[in-house]
Amino acid sequence: DTGVSQNPRHKITKRGQNVTFRCDPISEHNRLYWYRQTLGQGPEFLTYFQNEAQLEKSRLLSDRFSAERPKGSFSTLEIQRTEQGDSAMYLCASSSGEGVTRTDTQYFGPGTRLTVL
Amino acid sequence: AQKITQTQPGMFVQEKEAVTLDCTYDTSDQSYGLFWYKQPSSGEMIFLIYQGSYDEQNATEGRYSLNFQKARKSANLVISASQLGDSAMYFCAMREGQAGSYIPTFGRGTSLIVHP
Repeated sequence: DTGVSQNPRHKITKRGQNVTFRCDPISEHNRLYWYRQTLGQGPEFLTYFQNEAQLEKSRLLSDRFSAERPKGSFSTLEIQRTEQGDSAMYLCASSSGEGVTRTDTQYFGPGTRLTVL
Repeated sequence: AQKITQTQPGMFVQEKEAVTLDCTYDTSDQSYGLFWYKQPSSGEMIFLIYQGSYDEQNATEGRYSLNFQKARKSANLVISASQLGDSAMYFCAMREGQAGSYIPTFGRGTSLIVHP
C-alpha cells in the first residue's frame, strides 16, 4: 500500500497524559500536513512541513502541541497534558509539492481518533 | 466570513439518479484551486476532483463533475448515476494564491445518503 498511513488509528487516554501520533506520507511527497477534525466540521489546519522544515503553524496549535518531521519522511504529532477538548480526529495529508500551490493535491491518511477521558 | 460555504447539511438521492452538492467560496485572489473530497464513515478523506481558477473547462473525473461558475464563486459537485457506496460526507476545499499560501480551507461538509 503506497498511501498515507497513520498510527495508531484510535487512542483513548486520560486527561493530563501525553500522546504521540505518527504519520507516514506517500513516499517522495515533500509536503506533509496535520489537521484536526471535530464532529460536524471540516478539517482544520494545524501545521505544515516542507521536507523537514515546519513552515506554518495555526494558532489552533497551542504550546501543548508539537510536531516534528526529523528526516523529511514520517512525522509525529505530540500533545502534552491532554484536555477533553483535544478529543478529535487527527488527520495527516501529504502532497508532492510539484507545480503551483493551487494545484498541489493533498492525499489524506485514515486519521487517528483521540478520545480524552 | 467563511471562505467555503456548504449550505446543505444533508442530501438524499435515489440510487442511479444524479445529485448536486453546493459549494460557494470567497476569495480576492485571481489564482486559486478548488477541491472536493469524500469522507466515508471510515474517516479517510478521499480526493475526488480539482478545478483551477484559470481552467476554462469544467473538471470531470468519471461520475464526478464540477459545475464551476467563477462569476458566482460557486463550485458545485455533480455526481451522476449515484451508487449506494457514494453515501458519505463531502467536503469542498480551496487553496488560494500561486505561492506561499499552502493552507487549504475546508467547508463544513454535506452528508449524502443514497437510498435504493
